[in-house]
Amino acid sequence: DIQMTQSPSSVSASVGDRVTITCRASRAISTWLGWYQQKPGRAPQLLIYAASSLESGVPSRFSGSGSGTEFTLTITSLQPEDFATYYCQQSNSLPFTFGPGTKVD
Amino acid sequence: QVQLVQSGAEVKKPGASVKVSCKASGYIFTDYDVYWVRQGPGQALEWMARIHPRGGGTNYAGRFQGRLTVTRDTSISTVYMQLANLRSDDTAVYYCARESAAGRIVAGDYFDSWGQGTLVTVSS
Repeated sequence: DIQMTQSPSSVSASVGDRVTITCRASRAISTWLGWYQQKPGRAPQLLIYAASSLESGVPSRFSGSGSGTEFTLTITSLQPEDFATYYCQQSNSLPFTFGPGTKVD
Repeated sequence: QVQLVQSGAEVKKPGASVKVSCKASGYIFTDYDVYWVRQGPGQALEWMARIHPRGGGTNYAGRFQGRLTVTRDTSISTVYMQLANLRSDDTAVYYCARESAAGRIVAGDYFDSWGQGTLVTVSS
């Protein structure tokens, strides 16, 4: 199975800050990577697919980049509604594993 | 609009089985794969399985092989997840999710619509 890691595990930020989260895969996955946002008690929401494509309806302050084994999710100007936990997920090969999450608070 | 509505919370004893349903609406059921993902208390998301509703073909995460069965009933646009021989560490919220419409274009397995989650508690 492909193992996904994320750093940092948590980040303290303020409204207006630029936040960058890194996701690494245990082997190359090309650009088969998605990012999700999850708020407490809610289902996850897809933000980014194929490493850098913005899901419909997601604000443009969210962006993704990377390929191979290293990927980043950037929030350019943190908004109050962005305080949440973020997960990466590889779709290169079964099983489609998730990272451990990064909490933005 | 796309909706996935799951069955209600369950409390089970160790060794028992649980069956959770996920009813889809707002799209052509057989056109999109459906997945199961679970989340233990305070834990990360864990991918469990995929089903192709048109033909019924399935894929399971290795750690669930032999205990997990995912089926569908196309007549009522519903997918089922059955987990057998439950243990305390199976206590989790179980989500169904639909294949991303945008992801289909790039042939990637991403999840753009999710059910509300079903809490399964395993306790003696």
